[in-house]
Amino acid sequence: TQLLEQSPQFLSIQEGENLTVYCNSSSVFSSLQWYRQEPGEGPVLLVTVVTGGEVKKLKRLTFQFGDARKDSSLHITAAQPGDTGLYLCAGVVGGTSYGKLTFGQGTILTVHP
Amino acid sequence: DAGVTQSPTHLIKTRGQQVTLRCSPISGHKSVSWYQQVLGQGPQFIFQYYEKEERGRGNFPDRFSARQFPNYSSELNVNALLLGDSALYLCASSEQIIYNSPLHFGNGTRLTVT
Repeated sequence: TQLLEQSPQFLSIQEGENLTVYCNSSSVFSSLQWYRQEPGEGPVLLVTVVTGGEVKKLKRLTFQFGDARKDSSLHITAAQPGDTGLYLCAGVVGGTSYGKLTFGQGTILTVHP
Repeated sequence: DAGVTQSPTHLIKTRGQQVTLRCSPISGHKSVSWYQQVLGQGPQFIFQYYEKEERGRGNFPDRFSARQFPNYSSELNVNALLLGDSALYLCASSEQIIYNSPLHFGNGTRLTVT
């Protein structure tokens, strides 16, 4: 059973469109991170959210942590081809150390010019 | 500044063989974690080491072992390789193991078992 469910698994859109990726769990997370991974490289941290209801913005990316700290979303406005990649959410279950991340299965985003 | 470095970048082994993967953390980082990423899936936690002590272990068989050296570098060993061990093995380092100490990943070692 996947502890963190990401949806959709695949997303293919045109440049300029908006999109949202969801990350859901039945477990409570003390913190949740979003990563972006490109082929042949390791994941790169985009953001960490720790407070229920927290919203963080990173240029055209908006991240939200659910009030109950069981879910999160990533919204991209006016997607660009450079946004193409694998987006991963990862959480720290309460009480475990930070290095022990539980990852979702990822969302492969392709933005066509 | 050098990031997390892993070696080798690619490796091909046959079933039953043993493999050692190496990781050098970012300077000043005392924690190293290992993850396995099978194609099409998210990374799965294998081990975490902090100050040379094992601090966490994921759901992997005893064929997987690791250690951390006094300079905080780390090795991951896998014995009796199976075809299913083919994956990208990622190493991540952080300064501490508290929740606000971000993980920095290396680019991984691509292991292929034939």
